[in-house]
Amino acid sequence: QQNVQQSPESLIVPEGARTSLNCTFSDSASQYFWWYRQHSGKAPKALMSIFSNGEKEEGRFTIHLNKASLHFSLHIRDSQPSDSALYLCAVSLGAGNKLTFGIGTRVLVRP
Amino acid sequence: GALVYQYPRRTICKSGTSMRMECQAVGFQATSVAWYRQSPQKTFELIALSTVNSAIKYEQNFTQEKFPISHPNLSFSSMTVLNAYLEDRGLYLCGARGGASSGNTLYFGEGSRLIVV
Repeated sequence: QQNVQQSPESLIVPEGARTSLNCTFSDSASQYFWWYRQHSGKAPKALMSIFSNGEKEEGRFTIHLNKASLHFSLHIRDSQPSDSALYLCAVSLGAGNKLTFGIGTRVLVRP
Repeated sequence: GALVYQYPRRTICKSGTSMRMECQAVGFQATSVAWYRQSPQKTFELIALSTVNSAIKYEQNFTQEKFPISHPNLSFSSMTVLNAYLEDRGLYLCGARGGASSGNTLYFGEGSRLIVV
Protein backbone atom coordinates (compact mmCIF):
# COMPACT_ATOMS: atom_id res chain seq x y z
CA GLN A 1 0.00 0.00 0.00
CA GLN A 2 1.56 3.26 -1.18
CA ASN A 3 2.18 5.77 1.60
CA VAL A 4 2.68 9.39 0.54
CA GLN A 5 3.78 11.96 3.11
CA GLN A 6 4.21 15.70 2.74
CA SER A 7 6.11 18.26 4.75
CA PRO A 8 5.75 20.78 6.14
CA GLU A 9 2.03 20.81 6.95
CA SER A 10 1.87 24.53 6.43
CA LEU A 11 4.17 27.36 5.46
CA ILE A 12 4.10 31.13 5.56
CA VAL A 13 6.54 32.88 3.23
CA PRO A 14 7.07 36.55 2.38
CA GLU A 15 6.35 37.68 -1.14
CA GLY A 16 9.39 37.25 -3.35
CA ALA A 17 10.90 34.43 -1.28
CA ARG A 18 11.52 30.85 -2.32
CA THR A 19 9.03 28.18 -1.22
CA SER A 20 10.14 24.56 -0.86
CA LEU A 21 7.74 21.65 -0.43
CA ASN A 22 8.63 18.01 0.17
CA CYS A 23 7.01 14.70 -0.66
CA THR A 24 8.10 11.17 0.20
CA PHE A 25 6.63 7.92 -1.07
CA SER A 26 7.00 4.31 -0.03
CA ASP A 27 6.75 2.20 -3.18
CA SER A 28 10.05 2.12 -5.07
CA ALA A 29 8.21 0.93 -8.20
CA SER A 30 6.50 4.33 -8.51
CA GLN A 31 6.89 5.84 -11.95
CA TYR A 32 4.85 9.05 -12.13
CA PHE A 33 5.10 12.02 -9.79
CA TRP A 34 2.78 15.00 -9.73
CA TRP A 35 2.20 18.26 -7.92
CA TYR A 36 -1.32 19.62 -7.78
CA ARG A 37 -2.44 23.00 -6.49
CA GLN A 38 -5.83 23.65 -4.94
CA HIS A 39 -7.01 27.19 -4.29
CA SER A 40 -9.68 27.53 -1.65
CA GLY A 41 -13.05 26.29 -2.90
CA LYS A 42 -11.64 25.30 -6.25
CA ALA A 43 -10.74 22.08 -8.03
CA PRO A 44 -7.24 20.67 -7.55
CA LYS A 45 -5.29 21.46 -10.70
CA ALA A 46 -2.20 19.69 -12.03
CA LEU A 47 0.79 21.99 -11.72
CA MET A 48 3.73 19.88 -12.86
CA SER A 49 4.79 16.30 -13.28
CA ILE A 50 8.06 14.42 -13.62
CA PHE A 51 8.78 10.87 -14.70
CA SER A 52 12.54 10.47 -14.49
CA ASN A 53 15.19 11.33 -11.96
CA GLY A 54 16.50 14.85 -11.96
CA GLU A 55 15.06 18.28 -12.24
CA LYS A 56 12.39 19.94 -14.35
CA GLU A 57 11.72 23.66 -14.50
CA GLU A 58 8.64 25.47 -15.76
CA GLY A 59 8.66 29.20 -15.17
CA ARG A 60 8.97 29.88 -11.43
CA PHE A 61 8.36 26.23 -10.54
CA THR A 62 10.96 23.46 -10.30
CA ILE A 63 10.50 19.79 -9.44
CA HIS A 64 13.36 17.62 -8.15
CA LEU A 65 12.99 13.84 -8.16
CA ASN A 66 15.26 11.35 -6.45
CA LYS A 67 13.75 7.90 -6.84
CA ALA A 68 16.47 6.19 -4.81
CA SER A 69 15.62 8.40 -1.83
CA LEU A 70 11.87 7.99 -2.45
CA HIS A 71 11.61 11.77 -2.45
CA PHE A 72 10.56 14.60 -4.68
CA SER A 73 10.10 18.27 -4.08
CA LEU A 74 8.58 21.43 -5.51
CA HIS A 75 10.30 24.79 -5.38
CA ILE A 76 8.66 28.09 -6.16
CA ARG A 77 10.92 31.05 -6.70
CA ASP A 78 9.74 34.65 -6.34
CA SER A 79 6.60 33.48 -4.51
CA GLN A 80 3.49 35.56 -5.14
CA PRO A 81 0.32 36.00 -3.05
CA SER A 82 -1.54 34.17 -5.84
CA ASP A 83 0.60 31.11 -5.03
CA SER A 84 -1.24 30.82 -1.69
CA ALA A 85 -3.02 27.47 -1.88
CA LEU A 86 -2.98 23.83 -0.77
CA TYR A 87 -0.22 21.94 -2.60
CA LEU A 88 -0.77 18.21 -3.03
CA CYS A 89 1.80 15.72 -4.22
CA ALA A 90 0.68 12.52 -5.92
CA VAL A 91 2.34 9.31 -7.05
CA SER A 92 1.34 6.46 -9.33
CA LEU A 93 2.86 3.18 -10.42
CA GLY A 94 1.98 3.64 -14.06
CA ALA A 95 0.24 5.86 -16.60
CA GLY A 96 -3.25 4.47 -16.09
CA ASN A 97 -2.81 3.48 -12.46
CA LYS A 98 -4.41 5.11 -9.47
CA LEU A 99 -2.92 8.33 -8.15
CA THR A 100 -2.17 8.34 -4.42
CA PHE A 101 -2.11 11.78 -2.83
CA GLY A 102 -0.43 13.23 0.23
CA ILE A 103 -2.32 15.26 2.81
CA GLY A 104 -1.10 18.55 1.37
CA THR A 105 0.98 21.55 2.42
CA ARG A 106 -0.91 24.76 2.96
CA VAL A 107 1.10 27.73 1.68
CA LEU A 108 0.41 31.36 2.53
CA VAL A 109 2.43 34.02 0.74
CA ARG A 110 2.32 37.31 2.64
CA PRO A 111 2.53 40.54 0.61
CA GLY B 1 -9.59 22.63 -22.81
CA ALA B 2 -10.40 19.75 -20.52
CA LEU B 3 -13.02 20.51 -17.88
CA VAL B 4 -14.80 18.45 -15.27
CA TYR B 5 -18.11 19.51 -13.78
CA GLN B 6 -19.57 18.10 -10.61
CA TYR B 7 -23.11 18.38 -9.34
CA PRO B 8 -24.43 19.16 -6.77
CA ARG B 9 -21.80 21.40 -5.20
CA ARG B 10 -23.19 20.93 -1.72
CA THR B 11 -25.79 18.75 -0.05
CA ILE B 12 -27.06 18.61 3.50
CA CYS B 13 -28.65 15.29 4.26
CA LYS B 14 -30.11 13.62 7.29
CA SER B 15 -28.17 10.82 8.88
CA GLY B 16 -29.13 7.51 7.27
CA THR B 17 -30.26 8.98 3.95
CA SER B 18 -28.42 8.84 0.64
CA MET B 19 -26.82 11.32 -1.70
CA ARG B 20 -26.09 10.95 -5.39
CA MET B 21 -23.42 13.03 -7.12
CA GLU B 22 -22.61 13.43 -10.77
CA CYS B 23 -19.46 14.09 -12.76
CA GLN B 24 -19.32 15.32 -16.34
CA ALA B 25 -16.16 15.49 -18.48
CA VAL B 26 -16.15 18.16 -21.19
CA GLY B 27 -13.59 18.52 -23.95
CA PHE B 28 -12.08 15.06 -23.65
CA GLN B 29 -13.05 11.43 -23.30
CA ALA B 30 -12.83 10.21 -19.72
CA THR B 31 -11.30 6.76 -20.18
CA SER B 32 -10.92 6.52 -16.43
CA VAL B 33 -12.66 8.23 -13.54
CA ALA B 34 -11.43 8.27 -9.96
CA TRP B 35 -13.60 9.27 -7.02
CA TYR B 36 -11.83 10.74 -3.99
CA ARG B 37 -12.94 12.04 -0.62
CA GLN B 38 -11.16 15.02 0.91
CA SER B 39 -11.72 15.53 4.62
CA PRO B 40 -9.81 17.60 7.20
CA GLN B 41 -8.74 14.48 9.06
CA LYS B 42 -7.83 12.05 6.35
CA THR B 43 -6.41 13.83 3.38
CA PHE B 44 -7.33 12.75 -0.09
CA GLU B 45 -8.67 9.20 0.07
CA LEU B 46 -9.20 7.31 -3.14
CA ILE B 47 -12.60 5.61 -3.05
CA ALA B 48 -12.54 3.80 -6.37
CA LEU B 49 -11.11 3.87 -9.87
CA SER B 50 -13.32 3.16 -12.86
CA THR B 51 -11.61 2.42 -16.18
CA VAL B 52 -13.41 1.78 -19.45
CA ASN B 53 -13.65 -1.95 -20.23
CA SER B 54 -12.54 -2.89 -16.72
CA ALA B 55 -14.35 -3.58 -13.47
CA ILE B 56 -14.56 -0.71 -10.99
CA LYS B 57 -11.83 -1.16 -8.40
CA TYR B 58 -12.62 -0.06 -4.86
CA GLU B 59 -9.97 0.80 -2.31
CA GLN B 60 -9.72 -0.78 1.11
CA ASN B 61 -12.40 0.63 3.46
CA PHE B 62 -14.72 1.49 0.57
CA THR B 63 -17.28 -0.88 -0.96
CA GLN B 64 -19.65 -0.96 -3.87
CA GLU B 65 -22.48 -1.59 -1.43
CA LYS B 66 -21.84 1.74 0.27
CA PHE B 67 -20.55 3.81 -2.70
CA PRO B 68 -22.10 2.44 -5.91
CA ILE B 69 -20.55 4.00 -9.00
CA SER B 70 -21.82 4.19 -12.56
CA HIS B 71 -19.58 5.04 -15.54
CA PRO B 72 -21.89 4.43 -18.51
CA ASN B 73 -19.96 6.41 -21.15
CA LEU B 74 -16.78 8.41 -21.76
CA SER B 75 -18.20 11.69 -20.46
CA PHE B 76 -20.24 10.84 -17.38
CA SER B 77 -19.95 9.13 -14.03
CA SER B 78 -22.07 9.15 -10.90
CA MET B 79 -21.56 7.93 -7.37
CA THR B 80 -24.03 7.53 -4.52
CA VAL B 81 -23.25 7.62 -0.82
CA LEU B 82 -25.77 5.24 0.71
CA ASN B 83 -26.93 5.55 4.32
CA ALA B 84 -24.70 8.51 4.99
CA TYR B 85 -23.45 9.06 8.52
CA LEU B 86 -21.21 11.65 10.15
CA GLU B 87 -18.03 9.84 9.14
CA ASP B 88 -19.04 10.19 5.48
CA ARG B 89 -18.81 13.97 5.61
CA GLY B 90 -16.35 15.60 3.26
CA LEU B 91 -15.69 16.91 -0.20
CA TYR B 92 -16.16 14.24 -2.85
CA LEU B 93 -13.97 14.90 -5.85
CA CYS B 94 -14.21 13.36 -9.26
CA GLY B 95 -10.99 13.11 -11.26
CA ALA B 96 -11.18 12.16 -14.92
CA ARG B 97 -8.33 11.11 -17.14
CA GLY B 98 -8.30 11.08 -20.89
CA GLY B 99 -5.35 8.81 -21.54
CA ALA B 100 -2.02 9.40 -23.27
CA SER B 101 -3.42 12.05 -25.63
CA SER B 102 -4.00 14.38 -22.67
CA GLY B 103 -0.71 13.50 -20.96
CA ASN B 104 -2.44 11.17 -18.53
CA THR B 105 -3.34 14.21 -16.44
CA LEU B 106 -6.13 13.75 -13.92
CA TYR B 107 -8.58 16.64 -14.23
CA PHE B 108 -10.72 17.35 -11.19
CA GLY B 109 -14.10 18.92 -10.67
CA GLU B 110 -14.70 21.33 -7.80
CA GLY B 111 -16.31 18.61 -5.75
CA SER B 112 -19.62 17.77 -4.12
CA ARG B 113 -19.61 18.59 -0.43
CA LEU B 114 -21.61 16.27 1.79
CA ILE B 115 -22.83 17.57 5.12
CA VAL B 116 -24.62 15.06 7.33
CA VAL B 117 -26.89 16.23 10.13
